[in-house]
Amino acid sequence: DIQMTQSPSSLSAFVGDRVTITCRASQSISNYLNWYQQKPGKAPKLLIYAASSLQSGVPSRFSGSGSGTDFTLTISSLQPEDFATYYCQQSYSTPFTFGTGTTVEIK
Amino acid sequence: EVQLVESGGDLVQPGGSLRLSCAPSGFTVSSDYMNWVRQAPGKGLEWVSVIYSGGTTYYAGSVKGRFTVSSDNSGTTMYLQMNSLRAEDSAVYYCVIGSYGVFDIWGQGTVVTVSS
Repeated sequence: DIQMTQSPSSLSAFVGDRVTITCRASQSISNYLNWYQQKPGKAPKLLIYAASSLQSGVPSRFSGSGSGTDFTLTISSLQPEDFATYYCQQSYSTPFTFGTGTTVEIK
Repeated sequence: EVQLVESGGDLVQPGGSLRLSCAPSGFTVSSDYMNWVRQAPGKGLEWVSVIYSGGTTYYAGSVKGRFTVSSDNSGTTMYLQMNSLRAEDSAVYYCVIGSYGVFDIWGQGTVVTVSS
């Protein structure tokens, strides 16, 4: 199975800050990497697919990059509604695996 | 409103069985891939299974041999038959439509609790 490692596990930031979350795969997954946002009590929401493609309706302050084993999710200017938990997930092969999550909290 | 509707979650004793259902509401499923993803209380996301339109299925190692995913003849309703349930199967189970492993439409989730 492909292991997905996210860092940090949590971070605190101010509204307006630039935030970067990293995700590393245990083997090369090309660009088969997706990012999700989850708020408490809600289902996750797809933000980014294929490492860097923005899902329809997602604000442009979210961006993704990377290929192979190392990936990043960047929020260019953190907004109040962005405080949530973020997960990466590989879609290269089954079993599809998720990262352990990064919780973004208000500073 | 366009949504996926899960049902069947319940409290069940260890070793017991449960069947979850998932059906679209307000739209026709055009994706060839329907998945189950679960989340234990306070934990992260875990992919459970996928069924392709041709009937091919795949499972996470943690449920293989105990869970069976299927769909009805029209391919629009998906089921997850869960047998030999364990405490560690307790979770919110999400029905998810996702082509090629990209999970873009999620249900609201149904809660499964395995406890005596």
